[in-house]
Amino acid sequence: GIQVEQSPPDLILQEGANSTLRCNFSDSVNNLQWFHQNPWGQLINLFYIPSGTKQNGRLSATTVATERYSLLYISSSQTTDSGVYFCAVSTGGGNKLTFGTGTQLKVEL
Amino acid sequence: DAGVIQSPRHEVTEMGQEVTLRCKPISGHNSLFWYRQTMMRGLELLIYFNNNVPIDDSGMPEDRFSAKMPNASFSTLKIQPSEPRDSAVYFCASSFYEMPQHFGDGTRLSIL
Repeated sequence: GIQVEQSPPDLILQEGANSTLRCNFSDSVNNLQWFHQNPWGQLINLFYIPSGTKQNGRLSATTVATERYSLLYISSSQTTDSGVYFCAVSTGGGNKLTFGTGTQLKVEL
Repeated sequence: DAGVIQSPRHEVTEMGQEVTLRCKPISGHNSLFWYRQTMMRGLELLIYFNNNVPIDDSGMPEDRFSAKMPNASFSTLKIQPSEPRDSAVYFCASSFYEMPQHFGDGTRLSIL
């Protein structure tokens, strides 16, 4: 099956700093989503981005499908950004998501 | 708009008992997914339905697990008999075809 690798596995930032999270995948995809799992365990949709670039406030994402990677940018980080960020992809039919192992982000004051 | 609704939020039971997890997908969505999250295996797909029909159950770990979707607005995941290794967070998600999946808040299951 498709492999999804995320880096870095852990990240500690000072509030206000910027960061880039990366997701590499081993095959062509027809769906790619970024999620934030908050400290309460909820999985929050950030982006649906099988290709191209999108922005939502301080967050933006870019997927280069031909090179099989996606990037999530967090600018001016806040303590509420803490949690685990997951990349998930599907390939072929059915929209079955395969998740990466996540990036654990901690934003400190 | 209501999101995906799961119940219960937490379940603690003794091994050997039957466990039933419930999910109400977003109205209008035609695909429903059950995922499990553990420290060892991360987030993994158990089963998914299209138009209430199970399409792929290859992720269901054992025959002790079963899932049903009797109508477009309700699905259950049952474990019978439950074992301590089934302890995990179980998520339900729904989507409209291959559009973004939306997740419920999960059920945290503990089998003693």
